[in-house]
Amino acid sequence: SQKIEQNSEALNIQEGKTATLTCNYTNYSPAYLQWYRQDPGRGPVFLLLIRENEKEKRKERLKVTFDTTLKQSLFHITASQPADSATYLCALDGSSNTGKLIFGQGTTLQVKP
Amino acid sequence: NAGVTQTPKFQVLKTGQSMTLQCAQDMNHNSMYWYRQDPGMGLRLIYYSASEGTTDKGEVPNGYNVSRLNKREFSLRLESAAPSQTSVYFCASRRQGVEWGGYTFGSGTRLTVV
Repeated sequence: SQKIEQNSEALNIQEGKTATLTCNYTNYSPAYLQWYRQDPGRGPVFLLLIRENEKEKRKERLKVTFDTTLKQSLFHITASQPADSATYLCALDGSSNTGKLIFGQGTTLQVKP
Repeated sequence: NAGVTQTPKFQVLKTGQSMTLQCAQDMNHNSMYWYRQDPGMGLRLIYYSASEGTTDKGEVPNGYNVSRLNKREFSLRLESAAPSQTSVYFCASRRQGVEWGGYTFGSGTRLTVV
């Protein structure tokens, strides 16, 4: 069956360090993968999209990698700040014609000052 | 610059009652989606509308109906609410085309069925 897995355990890191979150998937061949941020009581907010033919994508302090052989994406936040504390969701396209996304459960990041 | 607007923000229903969750977007997006989010389950797709005039079932459609009223509006109806439908409901929209973009989500409706 199709599955998207993110580490359900919270990730706790010290301010200034690099946070690395993992998204693994099975039985998918996504054309692209997306990352979202969700704060408590709020809707998810789109951060980055990476296509299957892109190995890496950057946006300010964010970096995403996409390895279609390993079926894995890594999401990095460099020079992390307490304001980066949130839940981060990865999502894969379920169908290129409908645009519907399949989401992982999310990993909660806590950045301590 | 409203994005995606959902109403109501909170609702408490008794088992068997019906209600409609409203969603409207002002970004001229073709595609709209309804998800529910439960602890430990992540976001699960209920229904979606790839374009105006079309709707289709997602992963968990039982107990729900939808209406794509026009390009802007996509409503979700619970005909006979059950405690299992207690959840946070999110509406989202997305630009359709060769270059798919990210979803824009609403702020959610927190529904409790007692």
